Amino acid sequence: NAGVTQTPKFQVLKTGQSMTLQCAQDMNHNSMYWYRQDPGMGLRLIYYSASEGTTDKGEVPNGYNVSRLNKREFSLRLESAAPSQTSVYFCASSEYAGGKDGYTFGSGTRLTVV
Amino acid sequence: GEDVEQSLFLSVREGDSSVINCTYTDSSSTYLYWYKQEPGAGLQLLTYIFSNMDMKQDQRLTVLLNKKDKHLSLRIADTQTGDSAIYFCAESFSGGSYIPTFGRGTSLIVHP
Repeated sequence: NAGVTQTPKFQVLKTGQSMTLQCAQDMNHNSMYWYRQDPGMGLRLIYYSASEGTTDKGEVPNGYNVSRLNKREFSLRLESAAPSQTSVYFCASSEYAGGKDGYTFGSGTRLTVV
Repeated sequence: GEDVEQSLFLSVREGDSSVINCTYTDSSSTYLYWYKQEPGAGLQLLTYIFSNMDMKQDQRLTVLLNKKDKHLSLRIADTQTGDSAIYFCAESFSGGSYIPTFGRGTSLIVHP
């Protein structure tokens, strides 16, 4: 099925470890996004890529880096994981930001940092 | 700056109507959206309304927009247990990058 695929679905890290969350979309969308979701906090934008070759910081970028590898793939890297980064991470894509079609979301990566 | 507010919880009886409310602050909003998140899943776009509209109906869903009060609502008619989920309001505004700002979500609980 067409959509946004995120890997892994679950991950446990020790403090200080690094990892990369992968995201790929097959809808030929221009824009891709990484959000984190914490209880009672809603969705907070970490980084986004408005088009291939560009990336920009969102609301909570500290401790993260991203790479827009090509039009399909947008990865999120945690260089030195901290317990405060325990969260559910969602990747999303859209043809354009703010259009009537909204976003298509992946099913999320549940990350625990101990 | 932009901000989107929602109440956190709503409980209704199966078969009743549900009304989920949202307020936003940016008067230059273009699209306003409602997303649904089921347990363990990502958000799914339910419906949207363009800022020059007052109402939009889509089967059991009715969206009302009051631009004067910056108030958006989602009415679900004949609510079913399968409607139990978290509902997010989001706005996209022309004053920024058009990237939507999301509310914190309203947990809808439907009981028999």
